[in-house]
Parts: sequence; C-alpha cells; structure tokens
Amino acid sequence: QVQLRQWGAGLLKPSETLSLTCAVYGGSFSGYYWSWIRQPPGKGLEWIGEINHNGRTNYNPSLKSRITISVDTSKKQFSLKLSSVSAADTAVYYCARGEGATPVPFDYWGLGPLVTVSS
Amino acid sequence: EIVLTQSPGTLSLSPGERATLSCGASQSVYSSYLAWYQQKPGQAPRLLIYHASSRATGIPDRFSGSGSGTDFTLTISRLEPEDFAVYYCQQYGSSLRTFGQGTKVEIK
Repeated sequence: QVQLRQWGAGLLKPSETLSLTCAVYGGSFSGYYWSWIRQPPGKGLEWIGEINHNGRTNYNPSLKSRITISVDTSKKQFSLKLSSVSAADTAVYYCARGEGATPVPFDYWGLGPLVTVSS
Repeated sequence: EIVLTQSPGTLSLSPGERATLSCGASQSVYSSYLAWYQQKPGQAPRLLIYHASSRATGIPDRFSGSGSGTDFTLTISRLEPEDFAVYYCQQYGSSLRTFGQGTKVEIK
C-alpha cells in the first residue's frame, strides 16, 4: 500500500519561504510523476507542479517564478519550496502521486498540513 | 489553460436518489484525460474516476463517469449517506493540470 507522509513548517511570516517534504512509502517511486497541490481554506484545489524521479519538472505558470520542486530518489522523497509567501499562500498543501506508465492521475495523497502565512 | 466549470454549485438530494454532476471544459480535453474526485471535510481528495469513465480501485459501481471532448458527467446512481461530499473534476491532458471549482452534494 502506497503512503505519502508530509512535513514542514506550518506558520510563516510574509516574505519567508515555504518548505515542505513528502516521503513515499510502499510501491515504486521511479516511473511516476509526483505533484504538489494546494487548497486555501474553504476553497478549491490548485495544482502547483510536479517532478519525476529523474528531476524533470513541470510547474504551474502562475507560480513558476516562486516555486522549486526537487527530488531525492535515494530517499524516495520530493520537496517544495515557495518563496516570498503572502497571506494568499495560506492553504492546505498536499503531495500526491501522478501519472506513471498508465495515465492514472492523483491516486494517492498525503494528509496535507495547513500552512498559514501571518505577520 | 483549460478552465473547467462544474454545475450545479450545490446539489440537494435525499439518500437513494440519483445525482448527476456536470463538468464543462473551455477546450477539448486531450484523450478524455478527465478525472473525478470526492472530498470530505478535513480529508484529502479521493480519486473516483479517471480517463472519463474508468473507476479507480475500490470505488463502488454506483459511481460512473461519461463524456468526451468538452462535456463530462459524473453519475451516482443511488446516493448512500457517505456520498454527501464535494466533488471535483480535473483534467490531465495538458501540461497545466486544472481542477473545476467543485460541486457540493448535500442532504436535502
């Protein structure tokens, strides 16, 4: 059974950098794209970006200038950094497994910590 | 960017009734790479349907998806108490993955 476990700072001040890591347990890490998705309180879902085990990335253009997604295949982990945060970045941040050899989208999700940006 | 518009915003139904949720795309979704998710309060979304009509592992057969091009539908044949939740459509046919704004299915 595939499990995704996330960790990172939950409270940030404006202009700081958000940093989250997601570890994958069970199943294969290689051969899939791994995504970050966020959800502001009471609102809908926004895809942030993705990475595969080779480090190939694909970012949401609306956030591209501020985000970096990286991977550590040896640890089966991938990470998100979002710079210059503001209150608009307050959200639950989920990691999720994306497509692999077969185009099945986000079938496994992390629990998603709430990240709050407040002065 | 492919914009997905879900309707209605809220669906008020009773257990046992049929629910029909719509998702319209601003342009054709490549290869019908359209998924549906269910989300309950405080939980991560759960994949229900992918490729417009394929049920994900463990999803009951009362959930079905249909459609192609720009018009897609999720049908719940008979609502069970645990089906009252928010449902999102999502396209993964373009490099920029996008979600609809959600449809809330509430108890009437």
